[in-house]
Amino acid sequence: DAGVTQSPTHLIKTRGQHVTLRCSPISGHKSVSWYQQVLGQGPQFIFQYYEKEERGRGNFPDRFSARQFPNYSSELNVNALLLGDSALYLCASSLGGYNQETQYFGPGTRLLVL
Amino acid sequence: SQKIEQNSEALNIQEGKTATLTCNYTNYSPAYLQWYRQDPGRGPVFLLLIRENEKEKRKERLKVTFDTTLKQSLFHITASQPADSATYLCALSRNQAGTALIFGKGTTLSVSS
Repeated sequence: DAGVTQSPTHLIKTRGQHVTLRCSPISGHKSVSWYQQVLGQGPQFIFQYYEKEERGRGNFPDRFSARQFPNYSSELNVNALLLGDSALYLCASSLGGYNQETQYFGPGTRLLVL
Repeated sequence: SQKIEQNSEALNIQEGKTATLTCNYTNYSPAYLQWYRQDPGRGPVFLLLIRENEKEKRKERLKVTFDTTLKQSLFHITASQPADSATYLCALSRNQAGTALIFGKGTTLSVSS
């Protein structure tokens, strides 16, 4: 069975641009969460989606938005990119989005903002 | 605000020894505490979950303890091997959907042969 997949693997953008990151969860998983991991830090929660509805949101500005599609895949959008948005963006999927469930992380998308 | 501290950024041990990693937290009452392994350039991989009413959990060479009074978790790898070299992340969560995981910075373990 395929694990969580993310695309693209790497991305270079300039300040002010917009970026869309994509995530496909494990088959049968209905919950997708997004995390930002800056170098040397642990992942920081951005969003959680379950059954196409936003279930939770971390402390990130409105420039960050996301959505989940009927096939449970998800997109993370970041507008007006800042240098500080450079990070590894991780997607995690789980069956029902409950915190006692195992979270399966994808390999991440490494974003560099110049 | 809640704070999670992992004992050190780096831990170097010899093969065959037991590695002990520490996770301390403040201003938080987690229902679950999880440990993940992360290799360079990859996403975290789940290792163990322990609930607030559990004192200890084991899985093969791994052991996790959880002391809610001390607000501390210890993660042990016995008979460590060079293949255990990685960054280990501690993560807390409440028993509430949508509240997500709160991660520590991680401890990078290096096991030398």
